[in-house]
Amino acid sequence: DIQLTQSPSFLSASVGDRVTITCRASQGISSYLAWFQQKPGKAPKLLIYAASTLQSGVPSRFSGSGSGTEFTLTISSLQPEDFATYYCQQLNSYPLTFGGGTKVEIK
Amino acid sequence: QITLKESGPTLVKPTQTLTLTCTFSGFSLSTSGVSVGWIRQPPGKALEWLALVYWDDDKRYSPSLKSRLTITKDTSKNQVVLTMTKMDPVDTATYYCAHRHYDILTGSVYFDYWGQGTLVTVSS
Repeated sequence: DIQLTQSPSFLSASVGDRVTITCRASQGISSYLAWFQQKPGKAPKLLIYAASTLQSGVPSRFSGSGSGTEFTLTISSLQPEDFATYYCQQLNSYPLTFGGGTKVEIK
Repeated sequence: QITLKESGPTLVKPTQTLTLTCTFSGFSLSTSGVSVGWIRQPPGKALEWLALVYWDDDKRYSPSLKSRLTITKDTSKNQVVLTMTKMDPVDTATYYCAHRHYDILTGSVYFDYWGQGTLVTVSS
């Protein structure tokens, strides 16, 4: 199985901050990586797919980069509605796996 | 517009079998490239992929749960059913179904539409 390690697991930030979350894969997954945002009691929302492609309707302050084993999700200027938990997911091979999540909280 | 909705019992007893139904609209599971998956999330924990069924009835399962899971599709009813045997309290979670998109031009794959989820509690 491909393990995905997200860091940090918890992040405290202020509105307007630039935030970067890292997802490391235990083996190469090309660009088969997606990022999700999840708010309490809600289903995950797709932000980024193919490592760097912004899903339709997602604000441009979100961006993704990386390939192979190291990936990043960046929020260029954190907004109040961005406080949530973020997950990466690899779709390179079965079993599909998710990272452990990064909770972004208000400082 | 694609929508998915999970349904099934909210409470099951240990050792029982759980049956969940995902009813969807806006796409057909008989269309080449289309697939639907199940993902769960225990309270306060991370997401865990469980199973996926393709348009051609090919199926994939999480190896750790494969012996307990069965995924089936009913194309005429626009439904995907997941059964999980020998339920245990550790299986308490919110269960989601999701549409897996496949872009034939780029090869990109991703879960773009999710149901609202259904919380299943395992307790005697």
